[in-house]
Amino acid sequence: EVQLVESGGNLVQPGRSLRLSCAVSGFTFDDFAMHWVRQAPGKGLEWVSGISWNSGIMNYADSVRGRFTISRDNAKNSLSLQMNSLRADDTAFYYCAKDNAGEPLLPIFVFWGQGTLVTVSS
Amino acid sequence: QSVLTQPPSVSGAPGQRVTISCTGSSSNIGAGSDVHWYQQLPGTVPKLLIYGNNNRPSGVPDRFSGSKSGTSASLAITGLQAEDEADYYCQSYDSSLSGSGVVFGGGTKLTVL
Repeated sequence: EVQLVESGGNLVQPGRSLRLSCAVSGFTFDDFAMHWVRQAPGKGLEWVSGISWNSGIMNYADSVRGRFTISRDNAKNSLSLQMNSLRADDTAFYYCAKDNAGEPLLPIFVFWGQGTLVTVSS
Repeated sequence: QSVLTQPPSVSGAPGQRVTISCTGSSSNIGAGSDVHWYQQLPGTVPKLLIYGNNNRPSGVPDRFSGSKSGTSASLAITGLQAEDEADYYCQSYDSSLSGSGVVFGGGTKLTVL
């Protein structure tokens, strides 16, 4: 059974940092690209970042480029998102999502985790 | 404002057929980019419903179907059921955007009357 379990969400002040993690099981992690997708409470979906199976390709939405860094540890079946210089408009549920391919270029989000809530507020 | 435009809401009675449109442009759907659809039931996470314009993952009922023409795509639901009440999102790729070009529609809330 595929499982994606996010953690690390919290209430944080503007300008501070937070690191999200996603523990993966149930499939061969290092065969697939992975992504982070976020959803502000009551709002729509926004793709945040994606990483290829071997970390050779990492891409970001314009809204987070330069502030967020995606990474993965294939030995630990783990995906991470380091978020720096957080802003109020980063407040959202952050979902870890599995792609159907090894490269994150034309993603299909075939499976989603339960999400972790990040609240940026003073 | 989303690159892909969806109606904010649609509704239908049980047993009816409803369609949800996803309107793009020549830099995304019109350029041949595939469209995928996700269903988000109330209080749950999104689930892949249709991929590659008109393909259903295993377990998705054949009441759900997708199509694409020109710069638009559509999700059709036949034999509407109360359990179909959810938010629906389209997703595609836009070559004019910086970064990866991954785009979602704004979402459509389906109400079963």
